[in-house]
Amino acid sequence: QQQVKQSPQSLIVQKGGISIINCAYENTAFDYFPWYQQFPGKGPALLIAIRPDVSEKKEGRFTISFNKSAKQFSLHIMDSQPGDSATYFCAASQGANAGNMLTFGGGTRLMVKP
Amino acid sequence: EPEVTQTPSHQVTQMGQEVILRCVPISNHLYFYWYRQILGQKVEFLVSFYNNEISEKSEIFDDQFSVERPDGSNFTLKIRSTKLEDSAMYFCASSVGPGRSYGYTFGSGTRLTVV
Repeated sequence: QQQVKQSPQSLIVQKGGISIINCAYENTAFDYFPWYQQFPGKGPALLIAIRPDVSEKKEGRFTISFNKSAKQFSLHIMDSQPGDSATYFCAASQGANAGNMLTFGGGTRLMVKP
Repeated sequence: EPEVTQTPSHQVTQMGQEVILRCVPISNHLYFYWYRQILGQKVEFLVSFYNNEISEKSEIFDDQFSVERPDGSNFTLKIRSTKLEDSAMYFCASSVGPGRSYGYTFGSGTRLTVV
């Protein structure tokens, strides 16, 4: 119930292409869905986040698409660049209490080839 | 840009020993968290801390774990008697308000190796 399933585990994209990473969840109480980017040796860094009252959010080359009825959300990276090569995690959280723990997906290792 | 600082970056300890992982959150942040990432696996929530008390903890955070904010700047995670399966990257995070509203800032992590 608390799981967030992420796919694919790894992704290779040519420079300039579109990278698409998908996540699915079961817990309908989740109401905050962030994406994190992690470079080797670093902690996860917030990339973009969405709440379920909107179906899409775009920030620069990064777009989250959200399908509430299907309980799925995805990250699209347009015009992918070698500098985007990193591990991407989707996450979800619920509730308005002080904790707000994040439940992470399993991660996707993205490699953008020059 | 303000950072969450974690020390040490790598710690090796013998099974059964106590370890303390240290974190200096961003100075005006009020909410503090520990997460861990076993090599090659997903990031898992351990505990959140607000107003000098634990606000949430996961099943992983058993009696072997404790957290403390001993002064106005440090936030520590103590593992009393380490096991081999505690080997992981431990990330500290902080947020100025509830993380879901304000976003978390993660540190670079401490790699704990239990031998």
